[in-house]
Amino acid sequence: EVQLVESGGGLVKPGLSLRLSCEASGFPFGSFSMNWVRQAPGKGLEWVSSISSSGTYISYADSVKGRFTISRDNAKNSLYLQMNSLTAEDTALYFCAKGAGGKQNDLWGQGTLVTVSS
Amino acid sequence: EIVLTQSPGTLSLSPGERATLSCRAGQSLTSSYLAWYQQKPGQTPRLLIYGVSSRATGIPDRFSGSGSGTDFTLTINRLEPEDFAVYYCQHYGGSSWTFGPGTKVEIK
Repeated sequence: EVQLVESGGGLVKPGLSLRLSCEASGFPFGSFSMNWVRQAPGKGLEWVSSISSSGTYISYADSVKGRFTISRDNAKNSLYLQMNSLTAEDTALYFCAKGAGGKQNDLWGQGTLVTVSS
Repeated sequence: EIVLTQSPGTLSLSPGERATLSCRAGQSLTSSYLAWYQQKPGQTPRLLIYGVSSRATGIPDRFSGSGSGTDFTLTINRLEPEDFAVYYCQHYGGSSWTFGPGTKVEIK
């Protein structure tokens, strides 16, 4: 089955760190770019970060630059997001999404919820 | 970064009617990397349209996308009950992606 499954979310105090994972199955993971997209409660979608198929090209939204690090392990079909110095504004459902040739995201995981609160 | 504006914020229509959703870019888009997604409450976003007007796999032909420059449109012909949802446009701008704020299509 073609799917993405996120994990690693939870409740964390401001200033602390969390690492999200996304495990892919059913498609050649190493051939596609991957993205993290988040959605704050009751809000719209916000792109967070992207990584190319080989991991060579990486980009971040200004809101997370310098605090978040995206990475991937193609041998393990896995995508990661290391989140440091978390603030309440980072509270959201975090989706991993598969990239496609036209830069659209054609497969999404169910998301993992990150709550930053003291 | 190009800002995307979607209108209207909410569209109230009846099943069988046509929905016309607008996505306006803050400056002319030089690429065709414009996509539309549908999201229902509690569900993950679903790709509908990519490359301005190409339907994603499995998307019914009542969904269509069009536009160029700064103005893009998602049209849903003959709304079905399952089409009532929030719709987002998305643009890839070279090294980053931008989403519009969304349009909610609700049952009148």
